[in-house]
Amino acid sequence: QKEVEQDPGPLSVPEGAIVSLNCTYSNSAFQYFMWYRQYSRKGPELLMYTYSSGNKEDGRFTAQVDKSSKYISLFIRDSQPSDSATYLCAMSVRGNKLVFGAGTILRVKS
Amino acid sequence: GAVVSQHPSWVICKSGTSVKIECRSLDFQATTMFWYRQFPKKSLMLMATSNEGSKATYEQGVEKDKFLINHASLTLSTLTVTSAHPEDSSFYICSATLGGRNEKLFFGSGTQLSVL
Repeated sequence: QKEVEQDPGPLSVPEGAIVSLNCTYSNSAFQYFMWYRQYSRKGPELLMYTYSSGNKEDGRFTAQVDKSSKYISLFIRDSQPSDSATYLCAMSVRGNKLVFGAGTILRVKS
Repeated sequence: GAVVSQHPSWVICKSGTSVKIECRSLDFQATTMFWYRQFPKKSLMLMATSNEGSKATYEQGVEKDKFLINHASLTLSTLTVTSAHPEDSSFYICSATLGGRNEKLFFGSGTQLSVL
């Protein structure tokens, strides 16, 4: 079993839809949870950073962490074609290296 | 936000030659940088951790003699792929931590290496 599981997609949605991206994990010691966006042939860009459980909102993006279920989510409201990219979840124990999910390909159709 | 610059973005080389990739933190000092490799439609695979002024720490299965890492200053780390072969063709990405927090990684734009 992988430490971090993420559905590779692709996930196709119409413009304006609410997008839900998810990851599950097995290591209960993870404390830090991140979401990165990666455009084709570019480096990942840090979108959201969350410590422990709870919600965090930034503009159209909301990150949720449920440590009891070992489940994290990223919601994108009013999705735009420019949101089309690969979204990588990542998590770590403090001071340790990040463990990445495989990434979900998102396609927002205009 | 923190900016990490990586060059070149694309390189094609002949089999047997060496290629150097540079990674610079432009507006902050990075005591630690990381080098990743990414295959098409796959996630990031950590190759090594580069610490300024000391030897790099390589992940299991990564050949340290093939992938030479140098971190001579607080703003520059280099990865040299020595005697490159077609199987070394891949997307290489560097990253740096801000404030020494491994949880906040900032990535370079990546280098696509194609070995003929």
